[in-house]
Amino acid sequence: DVKVTQSSRYLVKRTGEKVFLECVQDMDHENMFWYRQDPGLGLRLIYFSYDVKMKEKGDIPEGYSVSREKKERFSLILESASTNQTSMYLCASSSRQGGRREQYFGPGTRLTVT
Amino acid sequence: DAKTTQPPSMDCAEGRAANLPCNHSTISGNEYVYWYRQIHSQGPQYIIHGLKNNETNEMASLIITEDRKSSTLILPHATLRDTAVYYCIVRVGGTGGFKTIFGAGTRLFVKA
Repeated sequence: DVKVTQSSRYLVKRTGEKVFLECVQDMDHENMFWYRQDPGLGLRLIYFSYDVKMKEKGDIPEGYSVSREKKERFSLILESASTNQTSMYLCASSSRQGGRREQYFGPGTRLTVT
Repeated sequence: DAKTTQPPSMDCAEGRAANLPCNHSTISGNEYVYWYRQIHSQGPQYIIHGLKNNETNEMASLIITEDRKSSTLILPHATLRDTAVYYCIVRVGGTGGFKTIFGAGTRLFVKA
């Protein structure tokens, strides 16, 4: 089974702190994604990556950066956390090979910024 | 990627078929229809996808209209565990999910 893991299920940080959210997948997928999910807004794409060291902005990249130094790992960085970044963060991965191409999601990290 | 429109919520009796509609009137010829669901406090889970033919797997059936402007996800015998938010997404096949846009989805309540 494909497994996407995220470093924490719950995280509480203070305003101004630098926050790292880690995501690891074990299926050798080329593509990885970071979304945030807020009530009434659905899932919104922050960044995605289609290869090591490659990244593309999604719909709401402001206030975030990403890092993909290894194929299996995709990190989301909040350089200076703010209260409006309190949210559920979801990581996903998918393959560019084969026919299905669906995304596999991690369990999510619920981040609270106080 | 084409935009989709889904009803915000639906109810279904346990054991009955749940039919979840989705409109995607601006879908283009190379875009697939994907369905995911998200059970409370979990990440979204893939259900099924199709291009123009109807599809069935162990979880559900997908009916796509001939003009491809709408589709219906069918859960043939809904259980309480099928209570979730269901997302209909259209995107180009082969891109592996680039810029996959999730809308607000349909919240399905399965009642005993």
